[in-house]
Amino acid sequence: AQKVTQAQTEISVVEKEDVTLDCVYETRDTTYYLFWYKQPPSGELVFLIRRNSFDEQNEISGRYSWNFQKSTSSFNFTITASQVVDSAVYFCALTKGFSGTYKYIFGTGTRLKVLA
Amino acid sequence: NAGVMQNPRHLVRRRGQEARLRCSPMKGHSHVYWYRQLPEEGLKFMVYLQKENIIDESGMPKERFSAEFPKEGPSILRIQQVVRGDSAAYFCASSQALANTGELFFGEGSRLTVL
Repeated sequence: AQKVTQAQTEISVVEKEDVTLDCVYETRDTTYYLFWYKQPPSGELVFLIRRNSFDEQNEISGRYSWNFQKSTSSFNFTITASQVVDSAVYFCALTKGFSGTYKYIFGTGTRLKVLA
Repeated sequence: NAGVMQNPRHLVRRRGQEARLRCSPMKGHSHVYWYRQLPEEGLKFMVYLQKENIIDESGMPKERFSAEFPKEGPSILRIQQVVRGDSAAYFCASSQALANTGELFFGEGSRLTVL
């Protein structure tokens, strides 16, 4: 069975602090995809990153970085120098690499509050 | 904006009424997926449709819920005789072909409130 766990329900930081959002996943598939989405207060889902299971290279995009470690089944997301606009709920998601790739398994989300 | 379009963005219904949510996929996309997000939870898969076909409805409640994607027009998620527990955000996603790379494009969601 597939599962995504985001143990941090809510995190509050002060602007300019760095913050890491944890994501731990379970799957028996050898090929799979991992995602991060941002859901701001307006409610839409904003795609942040997709990573396939064969690519363990860490990725940096501006203030965002992602650390994928298959050994610990984790795909953590770090925001450097957080800003108030980063306040949102962040979801990690997992899907199979073949047959049923559309069935995303979402975590329960981490609500990030960045205080000015 | 040629993204996935959902309407209405907000819908209020009284218990027992019907709710219809519409989704127009991105241009060139022929595969549509519906997800539901209950309050304080992540999204959960409901149904996958292609034009005139339901491919996978394993996530749909067995009663009161139905979905269609006609040859012409948007996909529609229909909830009959709504109950308070149906209050949720319903997201539609689309893909050009079967999403072998796992990439779905999500709409902005339709928020249903049942009074």
